[in-house]
Amino acid sequence: AQSVSQHNHHVILSEAASLELGCNYSYGGTVNLFWYVQYPGQHLQLLLKYFSGDPLVKGIKGFEAEFIKSKFSFNLRKPSVQWSDTAEYFCAVKPPGNEKLTFGTGTRLTIIP
Amino acid sequence: DAGVIQSPRHEVTEMGQEVTLRCKPISGHNSLFWYRQTMMRGLELLIYFNNNVPIDDSGMPEDRFSAKMPNASFSTLKIQPSEPRDSAVYFCASILGAGKRTDTQYFGPGTRLTVL
Repeated sequence: AQSVSQHNHHVILSEAASLELGCNYSYGGTVNLFWYVQYPGQHLQLLLKYFSGDPLVKGIKGFEAEFIKSKFSFNLRKPSVQWSDTAEYFCAVKPPGNEKLTFGTGTRLTIIP
Repeated sequence: DAGVIQSPRHEVTEMGQEVTLRCKPISGHNSLFWYRQTMMRGLELLIYFNNNVPIDDSGMPEDRFSAKMPNASFSTLKIQPSEPRDSAVYFCASILGAGKRTDTQYFGPGTRLTVL
């Protein structure tokens, strides 16, 4: 079975700082990878996803993630964060064609104005 | 599209009472998921359905929890009897279907359950 690790539990940054949130997964085969964001009091929304092709994926709101197969990683990045990026970020993985998503424990991001 | 619809948005009940949470998936989606989110355990998959049939209920915590999907546009998650440790936010999500390119899960707004 697949598993996902997000080692950063809480990240605090100042506005305009660069962001990188780690995500590592364990699974022996091909995977689909996702980053979801949950703003305070709201539901999960998809930020970006990777199925195949270019390992550098661009999502909404200036976020991007890079799939590095050799490292089993799918780290989320943003060059310059804003206060409105304060939220919880979840990495998730699933095998293609299988509906069951496995989520990481999430990383809480706090941006200080 | 209205997205995934859940009701109620908030539920406060007393220990021992029956609680029923409702979900309407996105029209045309044929897989539906129930998740529970708590501070301690994060986001846990409870059960999911494909074409109204339960596929994996291994995440259902115990017999007090049950879920049904009588048709493609409606699902319920029932807790009977409820306990304070069931307090959490319960999310429903749906996807178009297995193997399709657009198989991304779309989440509903959640039901915040408080059991006193």
